[in-house]
Formats: sequence, C-alpha cells, structure tokens
Amino acid sequence: QSVLTQPPSASGTPGQRVTISCSGSSSNIGSNYVYWYQQLPGTAPKLLIYMNNQRPSGVPDRFSGSKSGTSASLAISGLRSEDEADYYCAAWDDSLSGVVFGGGTKLTVL
Amino acid sequence: QITLKESGPTLVKPTQTLTLTCTFSGFSLSTSGVGVGWIRQPPGKALEWLALIYWNDDKRYSPSLKSRLTITKDASKNQVVLTMTNMDPVDTATYYCAHTLTTVGAFDIWGQGTMVTVSS
Repeated sequence: QSVLTQPPSASGTPGQRVTISCSGSSSNIGSNYVYWYQQLPGTAPKLLIYMNNQRPSGVPDRFSGSKSGTSASLAISGLRSEDEADYYCAAWDDSLSGVVFGGGTKLTVL
Repeated sequence: QITLKESGPTLVKPTQTLTLTCTFSGFSLSTSGVGVGWIRQPPGKALEWLALIYWNDDKRYSPSLKSRLTITKDASKNQVVLTMTNMDPVDTATYYCAHTLTTVGAFDIWGQGTMVTVSS
C-alpha cells in the first residue's frame, strides 16, 4: 500500500491530452515538492518533473506538472506512442522523514 | 556527465546479508548538497525508497526497513554501499541507486539497476 495514491491505469489516443493524479496528505504533498518519474518498459525511471512543475533539460514541454493542496497532477498533451510507460509521483514525507512514492500509473496509448 | 552503476550478488539465500555497491562518476560526494539514494522495485510492482546519504554524512532510512539497512559512503572511491540484513524472498527486486541534489530534491540521474533474487 503506497503512501501516495495514483490510479493504476490511464489511456488515451495519439494527440490527446491525459492527466494522471497523485493524492497524498499534509505531511507529504501538502508541505513538500512533488516529483514525477517516467519508466519505460525494462528501463530505469527517468525524472520528468521536479519541484511540482519544473522540467529537466530535454523533457518535452508536452509534459507538465501541477499541485494543489494535498494532490498533484501530471498532464501529457499531444500524446505519442512513445509515452506509453509507467508514471510515478514522489514526495518527501515529514512524518516518515523519507521519500514516498505512488503506486504507479500504467499509461496505454491506444 | 553523471553516471551510476549498481553491483552486487544476483542471488542471495534467505537470512543472508545483501551488500550492494553504487559506483558513480561525474560528481563528488564531498560537494555540498549532493546525495545518493537507493530505491528498489519488486517485479511488476512499484518503486520503494530505501535509504539516502548526503555529502555531510547525513543518513536517512525508510522507517519500515530501518532496522535492516545501513548506508555508507567512500567519497574517495566514488562509492556508496548499502547493506540489508536478514534477506527474505519478498526482498527480491531490482535495486537502483540514484543521484540527488538538495536544491532539486529529486533523484535526477539513476543507475541501470541490479536484479537481486532471494531464494534458497
């Protein structure tokens, strides 16, 4: 049972916009930054969004992050087949004094 | 260019101690703000954070695994070592090490991971 809650799956067609939610609490998302990772099949996770809405160099601007209260969202616009992957949210948790991850969302591009 | 690579046994027996080494390049663990973390992922399951060590030797552990974990660094060798005692089949997973900066907070560069199977 992950501390952060994500939907197990999401889907969309090429060109569509999809959003993935991440729900937490006051001790994690509510008081700390949210991070998003993309994990393509058989590969290590890759940082997609840091500090709620910042993109590392090289990450397309089709990916965007937002946070409100104790929830966060990852939006992917102009969906492409290569976006098919697992997506994880993460945050620092003050009560646990450690990093917590969501359970992951498997994105399927139909 | 920052790179990290995990190494260690691929198979351990139940009750044994696992020792994993993260060898990195492109940064120094003596530099203020730098850290290295360990994260694992059981087959088909989610990521789970294990431990984190910073340039100043500040160490953080997952509360649920704290009694079994030890993280150390050797900045001169560019290595971070994670030991996990009393291994169990449920600890079967791919273990990743990753670079972090306190200014960013995220694990921004990850190693390729190493698969560890716990079985008698």
